Amino acid sequence: EVQLVESGGGLIQPGGSLRLSCAASGFIFNMHWMHWVRQAPGKGLVWVARIDSLGRETTYADSVKGRFTISRDNARNTLFLQMNSLKDEDTAVYYCVKGVHWGQGALVTVSS
Amino acid sequence: DVQMTQSPSSLSASIGDTVTITCQASQDISKFLNWYQQKPGRPPKVLISDVSNLPTGVPSRFSGSGSGTDFTLTIFNLQPEDVATYYCQQYDDLLALSFGGGTKVEIK
Repeated sequence: EVQLVESGGGLIQPGGSLRLSCAASGFIFNMHWMHWVRQAPGKGLVWVARIDSLGRETTYADSVKGRFTISRDNARNTLFLQMNSLKDEDTAVYYCVKGVHWGQGALVTVSS
Repeated sequence: DVQMTQSPSSLSASIGDTVTITCQASQDISKFLNWYQQKPGRPPKVLISDVSNLPTGVPSRFSGSGSGTDFTLTIFNLQPEDVATYYCQQYDDLLALSFGGGTKVEIK
């Protein structure tokens, strides 16, 4: 059974940094592209970033380009999202996604 | 990037009704389309994959159709547990997934 468990969310001031992790199990992690998708309170789903299976290629939504970095550690079956220069509008639940499988989400609140 | 236009944004229907939600892609995405159901406080759950495939456990009153740019999710015999927000998602462009704006389904 595919399991994706996010961690690392929390309350952070504008301009701060936060690193999300996603522990993956139930599939061969190093064979799959992975994505981060976020959902602001009361809003829809927005794709954030994607990484290929080996961690060599990444793509980002324009809204986070230059501030967020997606990475992975295939030895530890873990996906990361490093978020820098956080803004109020980055407040959202962040989901780790593999295909049609989603984690339970990590809440990031950016507020002073 | 592929833009997904979903309608309506909300609807209210009676128990037992048939409900239709549409999703239009800004370019041909073949059959690379999923539908998700999301209930408050929960992550999205796949309802239909590859336009029309129901994962194990999804009731047969859910049905998907379409190809190219126009897709439809139909809920037959609407039930109280179907109250949720529904999203379409394209994965033709795996470099950048995109989602419809969502349809909130309520019971009249």
